[in-house]
Amino acid sequence: SQELEQSPQSLIVQEGKNLTINCTSSKTLYGLYWYKQKYGEGLIFLMMLQKGGEEKSHEKITAKLDEKKQQSSLHITASQPSHAGIYLCGADQNAGNNRKLIWGLGTSLAVNP
Amino acid sequence: DVKVTQSSRYLVKRTGEKVFLECVQDMDHENMFWYRQDPGLGLRLIYFSYDVKMKEKGDIPEGYSVSREKKERFSLILESASTNQTSMYLCASQIQGYEQYFGPGTRLTVT
Repeated sequence: SQELEQSPQSLIVQEGKNLTINCTSSKTLYGLYWYKQKYGEGLIFLMMLQKGGEEKSHEKITAKLDEKKQQSSLHITASQPSHAGIYLCGADQNAGNNRKLIWGLGTSLAVNP
Repeated sequence: DVKVTQSSRYLVKRTGEKVFLECVQDMDHENMFWYRQDPGLGLRLIYFSYDVKMKEKGDIPEGYSVSREKKERFSLILESASTNQTSMYLCASQIQGYEQYFGPGTRLTVT
């Protein structure tokens, strides 16, 4: 099984709705990275979380790392068509040596106008 | 802004050809990475480099080699391309301890 599970695999929402994507690790997370990818393109960095309980926001996207540091959630408020894409989480499970990240398979998000 | 560029967006090569994929970053990052991305398998690390002339194997190095002669440039080499190397190839760079920055990707098709 995947060491880093993302859920859901795909999501279709109506514009204006809120949504949450989860990233669950089988091991302690020393760092969790959220990226967004447009189809056929590179990954755009969104946020990095390192401390249990940490929460960061950028525009309408909020990411949290739970206290036990084995799960992170990405929440989008009032979704817009520009939020559509694939969201990927990458995890440092190696006590701070974040050169070898473990990656989730991604969550594909579509936002209908 | 950090900029990571890759030499080609799309590439079509024949089986058995030697293929070079180039990646350049402009932010003096010490770490550079090559990944491939395939549906259902996600991002898989091929090789990474933590300094000039230094490299380390990732999870799937077979069939690939790399070269880092200058800090800003990291090349991925397919010695003899095969159809199972058809994939999206992504390069990234990083300052140790921080996030990785990705290039736009090269979609390679081997026929």
